[in-house]
Amino acid sequence: EAGVTQSPTHLIKTRGQQATLRCSPISGHTSVYWYQQALGLGLQFLLWYDEGEERNRGNFPPRFSGRQFPNYSSELNVNALELEDSALYLCASSLGLADSYNEQFFGPGTRLTVL
Amino acid sequence: SQELEQSPQSLIVQEGKNLTINCTSSKTLYGLYWYKQKYGEGLIFLMMLQKGGEEKSHEKITAKLDEKKQQSSLHITASQPSHAGIYLCGADGEIKAAGNKLTFGGGTRVLVKP
Repeated sequence: EAGVTQSPTHLIKTRGQQATLRCSPISGHTSVYWYQQALGLGLQFLLWYDEGEERNRGNFPPRFSGRQFPNYSSELNVNALELEDSALYLCASSLGLADSYNEQFFGPGTRLTVL
Repeated sequence: SQELEQSPQSLIVQEGKNLTINCTSSKTLYGLYWYKQKYGEGLIFLMMLQKGGEEKSHEKITAKLDEKKQQSSLHITASQPSHAGIYLCGADGEIKAAGNKLTFGGGTRVLVKP
């Protein structure tokens, strides 16, 4: 069974540009989570999508946005890139049952570098 | 908001020795997850604990959640070079809260010397 996949592996952008990151969850998983892992800041929750809707977001500005498609894959968009957006962006998926404990399975990540 | 404190921040052990990593929460843990990360890569799920006093083992790794559900430990027996990496604990803050987002500790970097 395929795990969570992310693309691209690496992305290099310049300040002010937009970045689009993609994630495909494990088959059968409806929830997709995005996390940012910046150097020195640890792993921070960004966004949670379930059944096509944004369910929760972390403490990030509105220029971080995304969407979930009918096939449960997801995109993370970062507008007006800033140098501090350079980080490893991790996507995770789970069964998405809000009233039970669900292990989140992570993809390999997209390394975004902003120059 | 919930905070998770991991200790130590880094650890160097001789191959064959045991090691223990601790994860302490400022609030009651409803679900505690242990992950391993190779530098710059994704997280590999290790174990999940949810009940006070629960203990789980997989191969040479044992994780425990204390009775009060505010501290967890990860113990590796007879460490091998393959155990090297960053170990992260993550937690569900509350049952049925908005989103099963996980709050993560700062990570413990483990290096195993041959």
